[in-house]
Amino acid sequence: SAVISQKPSRDICQRGTSLTIQCQVDSQVTMMFWYRQQPGQSLTLIATANQGSEATYESGFVIDKFPISRPNLTFSTLTVSNMSPEDSSIYLCSVEVTGVGEKLFFGSGTQLSVL
Amino acid sequence: DQQVKQNSPSLSVQEGRISILNCDYTNSMFDYFLWYKKYPAEGPTFLISISSIKDKNEDGRFTVFLNKSAKHLSLHIVPSQPGDSAVYFCAASADAGGTSYGKLTFGQGTILTVHP
Repeated sequence: SAVISQKPSRDICQRGTSLTIQCQVDSQVTMMFWYRQQPGQSLTLIATANQGSEATYESGFVIDKFPISRPNLTFSTLTVSNMSPEDSSIYLCSVEVTGVGEKLFFGSGTQLSVL
Repeated sequence: DQQVKQNSPSLSVQEGRISILNCDYTNSMFDYFLWYKKYPAEGPTFLISISSIKDKNEDGRFTVFLNKSAKHLSLHIVPSQPGDSAVYFCAASADAGGTSYGKLTFGQGTILTVHP
């Protein structure tokens, strides 16, 4: 399995500012993913973060808005830039672990509210 | 375009009875399906999965059924317990055997409430 620590657990931010969310895993993993859950909506994949290469963004998400870093195999950050109230969501880090039945593990999420 | 749909936002069941949660999908490329459970302030946790080569998978009280022709899957919980009360997400992958298992498409979730 994998234990994922995500910080901060929640934050209230002002419009126009940026927030960086950290994701720390207790083991080395190749694939890390960032998801967003808007209020009342399903989880939506923002991007795949691979160590040593640029993140791969899904349709509707761009690097300027959601820059991602992946400096090593246990850590990643997601920045929500120039925030607006529409960015109020739960942001979730997840990791893929091969060789086990449960392959995708999620962090507890960051509850972001933008005023 | 919602490729995975859970049309019931909520479900209320009596303890000991069966809970049936439904999920429909539109993308015929999906070949792996999962159910996740989510409590408030926690991340989703994996419950059970099924490959498209099967039509049923069972794990204890949880059984997932897949009807490929109808593009429909369901999760049965028998018997239901108050601790099962949570949000249940259906998810699908079109690349389970490829390079990225983690690129999942989720449904909107169903809030299950099990009453004592």
